[in-house]
Amino acid sequence: AQSVTQLGSHVSVSEGALVLLRCNYSSSVPPYLFWYVQYPNQGLQLLLKYTTGATLVKGINGFEAEFKKSETSFHLTKPSAHMSDAAEYFCAVSAGSWGKLQFGAGTQVVVTP
Amino acid sequence: ETGVTQTPRHLVMGMTNKKSLKCEQHLGHNAMYWYKQSAKKPLELMFVYSLEERVENNSVPSRFSPECPNSSHLFLHLHTLQPEDSALYLCASSQEVGGAGENEQYFGPGTRLTVT
Repeated sequence: AQSVTQLGSHVSVSEGALVLLRCNYSSSVPPYLFWYVQYPNQGLQLLLKYTTGATLVKGINGFEAEFKKSETSFHLTKPSAHMSDAAEYFCAVSAGSWGKLQFGAGTQVVVTP
Repeated sequence: ETGVTQTPRHLVMGMTNKKSLKCEQHLGHNAMYWYKQSAKKPLELMFVYSLEERVENNSVPSRFSPECPNSSHLFLHLHTLQPEDSALYLCASSQEVGGAGENEQYFGPGTRLTVT
């Protein structure tokens, strides 16, 4: 079985500052890891994913995440926040079995001018 | 139409009504999913269909009845719902190879359901 923990349900960041969203997972098999973003009144959109290979993964909108097996983490970062980054972010893990994603509880990001 | 579409976007229904949610994917994928997103709770996977066959039913009450007539369409039939069933219902699709789960899911915009 797998699970995901996102640290912090709300994060406030100043425009231009670093965005750091934390995700830790547990999985009994090598995981596939995903970050999704949800804007108000919309569905989820994939930001990036890790399957195998390079542990630093780059995604859309300037986001990146690093898979650290020893720490069972997959934190999401963006060097400089933009107002348009205000949204809810979800970390998810898949461990096979027809794409059954286990989602974290989500982190709401607020960007202040 | 592109991506994953869902209709209706908003639905208000009484506890004795019967209604259906529709999802259509235009991506040629072979797997489709229903999720429930409630306030203060993580996304809950409800059903998984692969090539029109249900491969997962996550202990969902029988008042929710899925239907997948072909690989592009997925329905969720609703009857005698409870107020706690009010939520955003999201449909997603993916291209699965051997059920490995490594490919991303593409989500529709959701149907906001309110049960009165």
